[in-house]
Amino acid sequence: DAKTTQPPSMDCAEGRAANLPCNHSTISGNEYVYWYRQIHSQGPQYIIHGLKNNETNEMASLIITEDRKSSTLILPHATLRDTAVYYCIVIINAGNMLTFGGGTRLMVKP
Amino acid sequence: KAGVTQTPRYLIKTRGQQVTLSCSPISGHRSVSWYQQTPGQGLQFLFEYFSETQRNKGNFPGRFSGRQFSNSRSEMNVSTLELGDSALYLCASSLGLAGEYEQYFGPGTRLTVT
Repeated sequence: DAKTTQPPSMDCAEGRAANLPCNHSTISGNEYVYWYRQIHSQGPQYIIHGLKNNETNEMASLIITEDRKSSTLILPHATLRDTAVYYCIVIINAGNMLTFGGGTRLMVKP
Repeated sequence: KAGVTQTPRYLIKTRGQQVTLSCSPISGHRSVSWYQQTPGQGLQFLFEYFSETQRNKGNFPGRFSGRQFSNSRSEMNVSTLELGDSALYLCASSLGLAGEYEQYFGPGTRLTVT
């Protein structure tokens, strides 16, 4: 599976959009981009995933560049409860394990 | 639907002992994966079970083992515990194989080895 690079930490003001970048320059054509987050002392939580097209659900939007070498997770209106470590993972569909990197520690401030 | 449940939530063991942790997946989920989380190494994959068969294994010694039952419930066992095995052990379930479907994580079992 391709390796991902994320900034170790980011701050965001409450109510503003949080844009979390992820670099996956070695991604191959059949690898999906997944995002999970882990709020302190809890198990990770699935957020969203995509292959080529941009995706949106009730939690977030995922923007994948046309060359698929990077992506951005967008939390449109961050709240204090969005403070967590966000993990970007790329994985071949089916049969492969998830490899979690260091993630980005997002701090949402009042 | 009930979420993924793990028992026990907290455990204290002594070096050399063995431990068994249990995971009940979301109803209908057939895959169960196990992860170890420590401050130094982060989240590391242990193994995945699907339809009672181990499908993937991470880079952990043979002291770490697991199994899955016909109702998809899973157990993991660590024998001859070492101090370095102190960690949060997380279980995740998915409809199918990890990577094909999103995973839903339990709250974890915090193991302390003294």
